[in-house]
Amino acid sequence: QSALTQPASVSGSPGQSITISCTGTSSDVGGYNYVSWYQQHPGKAPKLMIYDVSKWPSGVSNRFSGSKSGNTASLTISGLQAEDEADYYCCSYAGSITWVFGGGTKLTVL
Amino acid sequence: EVQLVESGGALVQPGGSLRLSCAASGFAFSSYSMNWVRQAPGKGLEWLSYITSVSSSTQYADSVKGRFTISRDNAKNSLYLQMNSLRAEDTAVYYCARDIIYSFDIWGQGTMVTVSS
Repeated sequence: QSALTQPASVSGSPGQSITISCTGTSSDVGGYNYVSWYQQHPGKAPKLMIYDVSKWPSGVSNRFSGSKSGNTASLTISGLQAEDEADYYCCSYAGSITWVFGGGTKLTVL
Repeated sequence: EVQLVESGGALVQPGGSLRLSCAASGFAFSSYSMNWVRQAPGKGLEWLSYITSVSSSTQYADSVKGRFTISRDNAKNSLYLQMNSLRAEDTAVYYCARDIIYSFDIWGQGTMVTVSS
């Protein structure tokens, strides 16, 4: 399984919106509505931010939203805040009880 | 508080073995499937292994298949990862993660495994 493709970095100013893309294939992202997104601050464990493409876990701000079109999923963060600065990883179910992660995107809040 | 705590990470020589543990608390451990995910230094996340709630099924990433074995003891609320024939490329922080059907909602803090002579 090859890793999903994410941009290495994105940036935005406080209050702005940014979008992180996650491109896979018809065997993973395009084949299932099971894309999840994780936020990871330096030295910390990942935190689930979005699951099943666009659902929010309890306690996660609705400034985070997810979508999918074909083989590409996207995470949009609106109203950027300083504490949103972190690494973000997408993950997709890939069939046969396997998962594949993206390479990660470093978000910088300017 | 819902919590996962990994332990067992260490410095091990290439070709060696190590057993990681993950202690669960604050939730009905026996009702959830569980996973192991790792992160090499400065790198991204890599899914490694899955086990159903009652150990009826397991699955592995190709990178560890045949070398790593996932298991659990629901009576002890514990998840394990037996790692054999370790290689330098297995050096990473290893996380256990709770499965909520196709995503991972609770993660431990991780345990570091270093494979080096």
